[in-house]
Amino acid sequence: GAGVSQSPSNKVTEKGKDVELRCDPISGHTALYWYRQRLGQGLEFLIYFQGNSAPDKSGLPSDRFSAERTGESVSTLTIQRTQQEDSAVYLCASSPLYSFSYEQYFGPGTRLTVT
Amino acid sequence: KQEVTQIPAALSVPEGENLVLNCSFTDSAIYNLQWFRQDPGKGLTSLLLIQSSQREQTSGRLNASLDKSSGRSTLYIAASQPGDSATYLCAVLYNNNDMRFGAGTRLTVKP
Repeated sequence: GAGVSQSPSNKVTEKGKDVELRCDPISGHTALYWYRQRLGQGLEFLIYFQGNSAPDKSGLPSDRFSAERTGESVSTLTIQRTQQEDSAVYLCASSPLYSFSYEQYFGPGTRLTVT
Repeated sequence: KQEVTQIPAALSVPEGENLVLNCSFTDSAIYNLQWFRQDPGKGLTSLLLIQSSQREQTSGRLNASLDKSSGRSTLYIAASQPGDSATYLCAVLYNNNDMRFGAGTRLTVKP
């Protein structure tokens, strides 16, 4: 079946602009996670959604970052007033249930470059 | 602080060689440890998952070991092939439900 998809695959934006990244999880997966991977660094957890529960936003680096998800479908990660340090690959993952102990299925990522 | 470190950052070997990738973690209170493979444009693929009660897991040419007391895990790849070229990530799930990833080891297997 189809895996996790993300769009766009690449995004170049000017500093100060807003960007919106999209994630389509695997159908039926209730949990969805966003991560960020800066060059040469490990993945940073940003936010997760579990069904209709309030998302865990503890990993969001600043109030310029926000994410939404409607039910168990598509999620969007929005970065307002982008800064050069926001340049990274943004990865989305989904799993059948929320818990980091369940296997997560990752999308291909969105490479964001802020100039 | 719960950190995960992977050494080396990059490794280049000739085809057919056996190799070991290393992952170390600072807190032994782990729930499980996963090894992922990351290919450009294809996201992450889970390779092996070791529960805290296990010592090793095997899948084909891959073998992962876990030593909680020393805070170390190794990923052994036998008879390496050019198709094994990728970045290998180690991820530790701690008992407080905090998941930490290493920075990865970039492996190149030369034909």
